[in-house]
Amino acid sequence: GAVVSQHPSWVICKSGTSVKIECRSLDFQATTMFWYRQFPKQSLMLMATSNEGSKATYEQGVEKDKFLINHASLTLSTLTVTSAHPEDSSFYICSARPGGDGPQHFGDGTRLSIL
Amino acid sequence: QQQVKQSPQSLIVQKGGISIINCAYENTAFDYFPWYQQFPGKGPALLIAIRPDVSEKKEGRFTISFNKSAKQFSLHIMDSQPGDSATYFCAASMRGATNKLIFGTGTLLAVQP
Repeated sequence: GAVVSQHPSWVICKSGTSVKIECRSLDFQATTMFWYRQFPKQSLMLMATSNEGSKATYEQGVEKDKFLINHASLTLSTLTVTSAHPEDSSFYICSARPGGDGPQHFGDGTRLSIL
Repeated sequence: QQQVKQSPQSLIVQKGGISIINCAYENTAFDYFPWYQQFPGKGPALLIAIRPDVSEKKEGRFTISFNKSAKQFSLHIMDSQPGDSATYFCAASMRGATNKLIFGTGTLLAVQP
């Protein structure tokens, strides 16, 4: 149980394009979803927290107009990297948490490469 | 105060040995301490977690030891196997509306056959 699916797993695109990443909880309803960014050999850095039906809460230093988050349903959250540039290349990982005090369950990440 | 310090940065253990990874925190409001295992190119997977009302939790070969007064907790992997080679992250969070996880810096474990 508690499976989180992330799509796509890998994307390469040209500088200036926008990229959308989907995060789905397959077998539970996620009241809260989280988006992380991880650089090679580094830890996970929380970018934002989203609750279904409300605006995301961004961590300090994360540009909300650059990283658009939508949590339209209890099983789907999306992260759109707008006008992506090479410095946005990274491993993006989502997690989802059921209601109450349930643990976070992570997706398998999306490797984003901007040329 | 929000940091979780993790050591060592890397660890080499022989097959069958015990792997020990340590974490320390400052914020006494933290009340949930999970350990995650991450393989290259994959997301982290929850291994085991503990709350501060117990000093130890064991699940199979994995044990968390928790010292509330010292604000430290550790992961012990007994009978380490080559398949345990991965990066391990400790984390901490506090009860609340979002339960944000604060991650340690990670430990790269290599178990030699």
